Amino acid sequence: AQSVTQLDSQVPVFEEAPVELRCNYSSSVSVYLFWYVQYPNQGLQLLLKYLSGSTLVESINGFEAEFNKSQTSFHLRKPSVHISDTAEYFCAVSDDSGYSTLTFGKGTMLLVSP
Amino acid sequence: EAGVAQSPRYKIIEKRQSVAFWCNPISGHATLYWYQQILGQGPKLLIQFQNNGVVDDSQLPKDRFSAERLKGVDSTLKIQPAKLEDSAVYLCASSSRQGTDTQYFGPGTRLTVL
Repeated sequence: AQSVTQLDSQVPVFEEAPVELRCNYSSSVSVYLFWYVQYPNQGLQLLLKYLSGSTLVESINGFEAEFNKSQTSFHLRKPSVHISDTAEYFCAVSDDSGYSTLTFGKGTMLLVSP
Repeated sequence: EAGVAQSPRYKIIEKRQSVAFWCNPISGHATLYWYQQILGQGPKLLIQFQNNGVVDDSQLPKDRFSAERLKGVDSTLKIQPAKLEDSAVYLCASSSRQGTDTQYFGPGTRLTVL
C-alpha cells in the first residue's frame, strides 16, 4: 500500500514570488506520481505526472516537479506565481503495475495575493 | 469533447434518508471511478469500474453504499441509509484505460447530511 504526505495545508505567497509545495510518499514498490489541481468550484485536473524517464517533469503553465527516489519526494515548484494559481493542489501516488488506483494526499491550498 | 458530468451538484438530506448520485463519463472511457472527498482531506477511492465490471470496491462501505454501471457507460452511486459522516463531496472520474491513463474528474456532488 502507498501513502502520501503533504505537510503544508496552506501556503500563502505574494504574486510573482517563487513557491514550493511539498509532497512525500511511502511505498514498498516502484511508483508513479501525480499532481492534480482543483480551482474553486471546479473538478480536479491533472497538472503533471512522473511515470519514468527524466525525473524532472513540467506542466504547460510553468509548474515543475522533480522525482527524488532517495528522498521519496515529488515537490511541486513554480519560479513566479500568478493570482490565477490560487487553488488546492493534491499530490497522488500509484504503484507501477498499471492497475493500481490513486492514493491522494490531503492537499495544499496555495493562496496568492497581490 | 464534453467532460465528465455529474448530478445533482448539491444535495441536502436528513440522516437515515437515501440519496443517489449520477455520473456520465467522457464518451469512450472504459474506466470509471467514484471518490469520496471529506472536507480537509484528499479524495478517497470508493469503487472502480472497468466497463461494467467492478475492479476495486475494497473501500466501499457495502452495508450502506452501492454502485452500478449498467451497459458500461453511466453510473449511479447510492447511499441508504445516510449517516452524518457521509457528508462529503462525491467525485466521479473516468479514464480511457486503467493505470497510468489520466483520470478526468467531474465537478462533484456536495452532500450534506443533517
